Amino acid sequence: AQSVSQHNHHVILSEAASLELGCNYSYGGTVNLFWYVQYPGQHLQLLLKYFSGDPLVKGIKGFEAEFIKSKFSFNLRKPSVQWSDTAEYFCAVIPSGGSYIPTFGRGTSLIVHP
Amino acid sequence: DGGITQSPKYLFRKEGQNVTLSCEQNLNHDAMYWYRQDPGQGLRLIYYSQIVNDFQKGDIAEGYSVSREKKESFPLTVTSAQKNPTAFYLCASSGNREGNTEAFFGQGTRLTVV
Repeated sequence: AQSVSQHNHHVILSEAASLELGCNYSYGGTVNLFWYVQYPGQHLQLLLKYFSGDPLVKGIKGFEAEFIKSKFSFNLRKPSVQWSDTAEYFCAVIPSGGSYIPTFGRGTSLIVHP
Repeated sequence: DGGITQSPKYLFRKEGQNVTLSCEQNLNHDAMYWYRQDPGQGLRLIYYSQIVNDFQKGDIAEGYSVSREKKESFPLTVTSAQKNPTAFYLCASSGNREGNTEAFFGQGTRLTVV
């Protein structure tokens, strides 16, 4: 079975700092990759997704992620964070051509100080 | 508007009681999922259903039961056999086909055992 590792469990940044959240997965085949965000008191929303093509994916609110197949990674980045980015971030993997069941990482709690 | 509706938002249960969490979707998705979210543990899969009248256990199915009598509905019952039921429960659905695997989430139900 596939697994997803998010190495940063808690991240604290000041506004305007750059952000990179790590995500690694274990699965040898083709995958669909996702980053979700959960703002305080809200439901999970999709930030961005990768199915195929350009490995650099741009999402909403200035977020982007890069798929590096050789490293089994899909790290999330944002050049300059804002206080409103305070949220929990989840990486998810779905094996392609299989059962299509999403597997999630443990999440990263991001706090941005104004 | 299309989406997933979970009810109730908050639920209190006495020890020894069964409770049922509702999940309805109007996205015409084949697949539906139940996840449990605990602090620091991410989303763990309880049950999933990829088609009406069929469902499978996830990673932490013990103490839970589900049904899928209609495409739109996937209720979760938390039984008295669940040893630690206090948690945030999330329902999701997806198209379950290549290129249509993005999971959409409901607002969640916070269950507290008193």
